Amino acid sequence: DIQMTQSPSTLSASVGDKVTITCRASQSISTYLAWYQLKPGKAPKLLIYKASSLQSGVPSRFSGSGSGTEFTLTISSLQPDDFATYYCQQYNTFSEWTFGQGTKVEIK
Amino acid sequence: QVQLQESGPGLVKPSQTLSLTCTVSGGSISSGTYYWSWIRQPAGKGLEWIGRIYTSGSTDYNPSLKSRVTISVDTSKNQFSLKLSSVTAADTAVYYCARTDYGDYEYYFDYWGQGTVVTVSS
Repeated sequence: DIQMTQSPSTLSASVGDKVTITCRASQSISTYLAWYQLKPGKAPKLLIYKASSLQSGVPSRFSGSGSGTEFTLTISSLQPDDFATYYCQQYNTFSEWTFGQGTKVEIK
Repeated sequence: QVQLQESGPGLVKPSQTLSLTCTVSGGSISSGTYYWSWIRQPAGKGLEWIGRIYTSGSTDYNPSLKSRVTISVDTSKNQFSLKLSSVTAADTAVYYCARTDYGDYEYYFDYWGQGTVVTVSS
């Protein structure tokens, strides 16, 4: 199975900061990668699909890039609503979709 | 707007079967090009895809859980369900249901339920 490794596990930042989260795949997944935002008690939210396509309704401060084995999620100017945990997901392997272990974005 | 809502017991005894239902509103579960999945998140851990069902009723499961998982669909109720047998404390988690629109061959989850906590304990 394809392993997805996110870094860092936790990130402390302030409102207005630029934030970058990295996701690495154990083998090439082309651009078959999505990013999600999770908050306790709320439905997870799709942010990015196909590595860099912004889901409808998601603020433009979120962006994704990468292909092959290395991917990044960038928040250009962190807002109070963005403090959450972020997960990447690969869907290159149809028989088993896998996620990274998550990156928690905390208030500094 | 499609909405998904999980329901089921919040407490299950070890060795018993965990049963959850996901009710879909705002659209028919049997129309369109959709997979319907279950995903879980144990406390302090990452997300794990459990399995999926097509509107035809065909299923695919995570190999690590395959021997214990059954996913089914009830199109008359616009619901799909999860059964996980022989549960242990390791199955304690938040369980989510989610939708994938495979029409463009991109298999991400575009709609999710808000999750339900299931604790395995005697």
